[in-house]
Amino acid sequence: EDKVVQSPLSLVVHEGDTVTLNCSYEVTNFRSLLWYKQEKKAPTFLFMLTSSGIEKKSGRLSSILDKKELFSILNITATQTGDSAVYLCAVFSGSARQLTFGSGTQLTVLP
Amino acid sequence: SQTIHQWPATLVQPVGSPLSLECTVEGTSNPNLYWYRQAAGRGLQLLFYSVGIGQISSEVPQNLSASRPQDRQFILSSKKLLLSDSGFYLCAWSVDRGYSPLHFGNGTRLTVT
Repeated sequence: EDKVVQSPLSLVVHEGDTVTLNCSYEVTNFRSLLWYKQEKKAPTFLFMLTSSGIEKKSGRLSSILDKKELFSILNITATQTGDSAVYLCAVFSGSARQLTFGSGTQLTVLP
Repeated sequence: SQTIHQWPATLVQPVGSPLSLECTVEGTSNPNLYWYRQAAGRGLQLLFYSVGIGQISSEVPQNLSASRPQDRQFILSSKKLLLSDSGFYLCAWSVDRGYSPLHFGNGTRLTVT
């Protein structure tokens, strides 16, 4: 059974801090790994990573994938209160085009 | 641009009552469509996905069903709700091309009492 594990489960930081969120996976026929941000309702897409070692970057957020060690990290620098959300990691695997999600990391950024 | 609409936003239903949640997508053709459920503090669990009209794959055996009567319409139904059906239901779509990111609707918060 495919498995995606995120850590930590929750994290509380102050504005300006840098955070690193972790995602490890055990899946058959890995295709790609995705990160989502979920505030109140719909998860919004952040990144999709397919190849190892290539950093994806969008403003203060960046992510990288290690296919040998089967994990990904999501970095957020100079955090702001608007970064407070649940961050979800998900993996495409196999031929059914289905995403397996982790349980998420609840990030709280205090002013 | 593509948009996804999901309704209602919240719903409170008694045990044993029927359920119908609807989702429509605009701005794209032949999308892949998905229904997920998210329990509190947990990740998303895939319930159904569809690659075309009338084509439904079920991932979790339960008292829910899904239908796709039109290309961009996806419906989640139940004949008799259980307490355990309470949760946050999310509809999503992706382009029918390789392994593409899913894009989610705003969800329906269902409480079965």
